[in-house]
Amino acid sequence: TQLLEQSPQFLSIQEGENLTVYCNSSSVFSSLQWYRQEPGEGPVLLVTVVTGGEVKKLKRLTFQFGDARKDSSLHITAAQPGDTGLYLCAGDRNSGYALNFGKGTSLLVTP
Amino acid sequence: GAGVSQSPSNKVTEKGKDVELRCDPISGHTALYWYRQSLGQGLEFLIYFQGNSAPDKSGLPSDRFSAERTGGSVSTLTIQRTQQEDSAVYLCASSWTGANTGELFFGEGSRLTVL
Repeated sequence: TQLLEQSPQFLSIQEGENLTVYCNSSSVFSSLQWYRQEPGEGPVLLVTVVTGGEVKKLKRLTFQFGDARKDSSLHITAAQPGDTGLYLCAGDRNSGYALNFGKGTSLLVTP
Repeated sequence: GAGVSQSPSNKVTEKGKDVELRCDPISGHTALYWYRQSLGQGLEFLIYFQGNSAPDKSGLPSDRFSAERTGGSVSTLTIQRTQQEDSAVYLCASSWTGANTGELFFGEGSRLTVL
């Protein structure tokens, strides 16, 4: 059973377009993280959200944690080819348990 | 180096052979994780070490898989009698504490191919 469901699974867009990817669960999380992974490398942390309803911005990326702390979204404005990669959400339900990762959204941004 | 180091980066083995994968975490990090990533998939949790506590082995897929962490630092993941379905990238990560609001620092992974 997949604890975190990410959608869409694949996304191919042109440079300059906007996009949103989603991370959903039926479970409540005490925190949720977003990572980006490029081919041949390990995932790298983008952001951690902790409070329900929290919104964090990282340049052209906007992250939101749902009010009920069961879901999150990542919005990218004016996507660039450098945004290409696998976007993974990861959450924990209780401190002391290892992070659970979703299957990821594979994003391709073409010039 | 300052990052998480994994070796070997690539391993090709024959079905039925045993393999050992090594992870050298960032110095001072008390938590260490092993994940498995199949082609195009997300990360599947395998095992988690936190300080001197008993490891969380709940993600190990079978008794062919085991891991140890010596001296609270280097970890070795051992797969016995490898099967073709074991083919994947095995990622190791470490963090300062087990608190999951902290950042996980990943190595580049060990790609295992079982023929």
